[in-house]
Amino acid sequence: AQSVAQPEDQVNVAEGNPLTVKCTYSVSGNPYLFWYVQYPNRGLQFLLKYITGDNLVKGSYGFEAEFNKSQTSFHLKKPSALVSDSALYFCAVRDGGYGQNFVFGPGTRLSVLP
Amino acid sequence: DAGITQSPRHKVTETGTPVTLRCHQTENHRYMYWYRQDPGHGLRLIHYSYGVKDTDKGEVSDGYSVSRSKTEDFLLTLESATSSQTSVYFCAISEVQGSLAEAFFGQGTRLTVV
Repeated sequence: AQSVAQPEDQVNVAEGNPLTVKCTYSVSGNPYLFWYVQYPNRGLQFLLKYITGDNLVKGSYGFEAEFNKSQTSFHLKKPSALVSDSALYFCAVRDGGYGQNFVFGPGTRLSVLP
Repeated sequence: DAGITQSPRHKVTETGTPVTLRCHQTENHRYMYWYRQDPGHGLRLIHYSYGVKDTDKGEVSDGYSVSRSKTEDFLLTLESATSSQTSVYFCAISEVQGSLAEAFFGQGTRLTVV
C-alpha cells in the first residue's frame, strides 16, 4: 500500500530565509508525487508534481521540490520565504489502481515569521 | 480554478438524520473522490469513482454511501449522521491523460452533526 509521511507537524522560518518541508513516501511501482497547499477555509491548491524526468521540479509561487529515489523523499523547497506562504502543506502520492487514488500525508503547517 | 462546485458549503444537522453532499464538475474528468479532513489526520479517502456507476470504498467508508449517475455529479450520503462525522468534506477530480495527473479540489463542505 502507498503511504506518505511528513515528519514535521510545524515548520517555522523567518521571512527571506529558505524553507524546506519534508516528505517521504512508500510506493510499489513508479511514484507519482504531488504537493498541495491549503489556506484557511479553502480547498487544496496544486503546487507541483513529479511524474518522471528531472529530479528538481518547479511549481507555482516559486516553490520547487527535489525528488530523491534512493531516500524515497520529495521535499518541498523555496529559496526565500514570504509571510504569505504561511499555510498547511500536504504531500501526496498517487495510487495506480482502479481509482487512481491520492494518498495524503498528515500535513505540515508552515509559519513564516516577519 | 477547476470547475468543481460543492453544495452545501456549510450544514448543521442532527444526529440520526440522513445528509447528502453534492459535488458537481464541469471538467468532464473521469475520476472523482470524496475526502474528509480532520485535525491530525490530513485527508482520508471515503469513496471514489472511476466512471459513471463505478464506485468503490476508500479508507474510511463506514457510514457513507455514494452515487454517480452522471459524469458531472458525485453524491455523498451519510445514511444516519453521527457526531464522529463532523468534519470538513472535500470533493476532488482527476484525469489520467498525458502529463495531466494532479487532482483538483472543491472548496469543501463543513458539516456539523449535533
